[in-house]
Amino acid sequence: SAVISQKPSRDICQRGTSLTIQCQVDSQVTMMFWYRQQPGQSLTLIATANQGSEATYESGFVIDKFPISRPNLTFSTLTVSNLSPEDSSIYLCSVVGRANTGELFFGEGSRLTVL
Amino acid sequence: QQQVKQSPQSLIVQKGGISIINCAYENTAFDYFPWYQQFPGKGPALLIAIRPDVSEKKEGRFTISFNKSAKQFSLHIMDSQPGDSATYFCAASMGWTGANNLFFGTGTRLTVIP
Repeated sequence: SAVISQKPSRDICQRGTSLTIQCQVDSQVTMMFWYRQQPGQSLTLIATANQGSEATYESGFVIDKFPISRPNLTFSTLTVSNLSPEDSSIYLCSVVGRANTGELFFGEGSRLTVL
Repeated sequence: QQQVKQSPQSLIVQKGGISIINCAYENTAFDYFPWYQQFPGKGPALLIAIRPDVSEKKEGRFTISFNKSAKQFSLHIMDSQPGDSATYFCAASMGWTGANNLFFGTGTRLTVIP
């Protein structure tokens, strides 16, 4: 199993600012995934971060709002830009567990509150 | 469009009782059905999973029942304990190539009363 560390675990930000979330994995992985979990809601995939290439964004998410970096095989960052209260969510980093399955390992999440 | 429909949204069960969470899907291409358990302040963790070639899978007190013809699957928690109180997500994936092929249900918040 992979151990995933996320920072910060929680933050309170002002409207219009940005927050960068870091995700560190204890092993090298090809794909890293960023999810959003809004209060009381399901997990929504934001994007897939591949090392050495542009992130792939899901419908409804754009790079200008959610820029992602993937400088190496163990690290990624997600920035949430131009924050609004609607961005208040938990953001989760995940990696694949067993190959060719739907098994994912998740970090503990970063809880963002926008005032 | 919700690819996987999950019910109930919340569930309260007495200690020792059976907790049952149901999920339904439409896409017959799905070939892997995991359940995730999420405790408050933690990320989801894989609990148990099933492939459509079997009708049931049991791991300890947790059982997945799978009905391929009805396109439904459910999680049964036998002898429910207060420590089982968490949010449970069903999911389905097809021909895994990445997380964009994994679809989560809306979650069930389970509370087990001592």
